Amino acid sequence: EAGVAQSPRYKIIEKRQSVAFWCNPISGHATLYWYQQILGQGPKLLIQFQNNGVVDDSQLPKDRFSAERLKGVDSTLKIQPAKLEDSAVYLCASSLWTGGTDTQYFGPGTRLTVL
Amino acid sequence: GDSVTQMEGPVTLSEEAFLTINCTYTATGYPSLFWYVQYPGEGLQLLLKATKADDKGSNKGFEATYRKETTSFHLEKGSVQVSDSAVYFCALGETSGSRLTFGEGTQLTVNP
Repeated sequence: EAGVAQSPRYKIIEKRQSVAFWCNPISGHATLYWYQQILGQGPKLLIQFQNNGVVDDSQLPKDRFSAERLKGVDSTLKIQPAKLEDSAVYLCASSLWTGGTDTQYFGPGTRLTVL
Repeated sequence: GDSVTQMEGPVTLSEEAFLTINCTYTATGYPSLFWYVQYPGEGLQLLLKATKADDKGSNKGFEATYRKETTSFHLEKGSVQVSDSAVYFCALGETSGSRLTFGEGTQLTVNP
C-alpha cells in the first residue's frame, strides 16, 4: 500500500514570496491533516479535512495560509506572503474515518526555508 | 486545553542499555495515547498506541502503559540498538475528534 505522498521535499524562498505544498493521502483515507513542525518542537495541527470539508482550522493563520481539498482526495497548502517564522517542516497525514481517534499516517514532509 | 509533556533530551545511551522516556499528559475525558518515531530525514511513524486506561502498547521491543492515575505513558525498551537512534514523540488523541497534540520530542542517540 502506498503511503502519504508530499511534494516538494524541500523549498527555499525569500520572505514575502508565495509557496504551495501538495499532498496525496493513502487511498481511501477520508481524513487529511496538515501539521507545522518548527525545528525542535512537536508538530502542530494547522487544518483538518473530512473528505472535502474543513473540520478544524482553528490554528491556521488565515491571513496568510490557505488550504483546499477540492475533490476529497489530494490537498494543497499555500502560504502567501511567507514570513521568516514560517520556516518549518510541513507534514501531511491521513487516516480512515471511524468516528473515534484514528491512527494517522504521515508523509515525509516538506522542509520550507524562508530567507 | 490538552497538553503533553516529555522528558527533556537529548538522551544518549550505549547499545543494550535500558531506555525510559517519560511522558505525562493533561486532558479532559479519556484520550488515546501514542508514541511516534521520526528517523533522520523521514516522516513520523506510529510506534505504538493505547486507547484506554491500563492498556499496554508494544512494538519492536518498545512498550508503554496507559496510566490514568498518574496521567502518564512512559516509553520503555529493555535493550536499545544503534538503529533506535531517532526522535520520539508522545502524542494525545482528543476524544472529541482525531486531532493529535504532540509533545516536544526526545532525541535518542545510541552509541555502539
